[in-house]
Amino acid sequence: DGGITQSPKYLFRKEGQNVTLSCEQNLNHDAMYWYRQDPGQGLRLIYYSQIVNDFQKGDIAEGYSVSREKKESFPLTVTSAQKNPTAFYLCASRPKDRPTGELFFGEGSRLTVL
Amino acid sequence: DAKTTQPPSMDCAEGRAANLPCNHSTISGNEYVYWYRQIHSQGPQYIIHGLKNNETNEMASLIITEDRKSSTLILPHATLRDTAVYYCIVRAPYNQGGKLIFGQGTELSVKP
Repeated sequence: DGGITQSPKYLFRKEGQNVTLSCEQNLNHDAMYWYRQDPGQGLRLIYYSQIVNDFQKGDIAEGYSVSREKKESFPLTVTSAQKNPTAFYLCASRPKDRPTGELFFGEGSRLTVL
Repeated sequence: DAKTTQPPSMDCAEGRAANLPCNHSTISGNEYVYWYRQIHSQGPQYIIHGLKNNETNEMASLIITEDRKSSTLILPHATLRDTAVYYCIVRAPYNQGGKLIFGQGTELSVKP
């Protein structure tokens, strides 16, 4: 079945370690997004990419990095520079030729920094 | 992108219609109204969107006022599985710089 797969679903790390969250889609979508969600809050945009080898910062990019080497994959690295990394991370995608279309979300990755 | 205002929480009896309001008084002419929902600890799910006209799909109906300053999402026969946080978002098309910005939404509790 087509969809967006995020892994791992749960991740525990020590403070000061970099962590990479995986996001893979087989929907042939051009644009991909990373959001962060904190308890009781809405989603905040971290990074997005509209085509391979290109990406833009969202509203809260500091302390994060991404790459887009393949259309299907958009991994997010939470670096040690991110002051409050514990959160729920969501990846999403959409086809580029539908400018008013919906975003398709993965099931999320919950990162806890000990 | 225009901001939206939603009540923080609502209750609905199972089998009854759930009417979720949203105010977006500063909406621009090229901005669409979108509704997503998020069941606890899952990714958001798209429900419906519209520009001016009322819209209906298999999940819900969207009623947009004539001045477009407010809208209502209607779940015609709510079930326990509809318990979730519902987000109302207004944004321009992506090719006009629109971004999907989520507020805090309305937490809908469907009760037996």
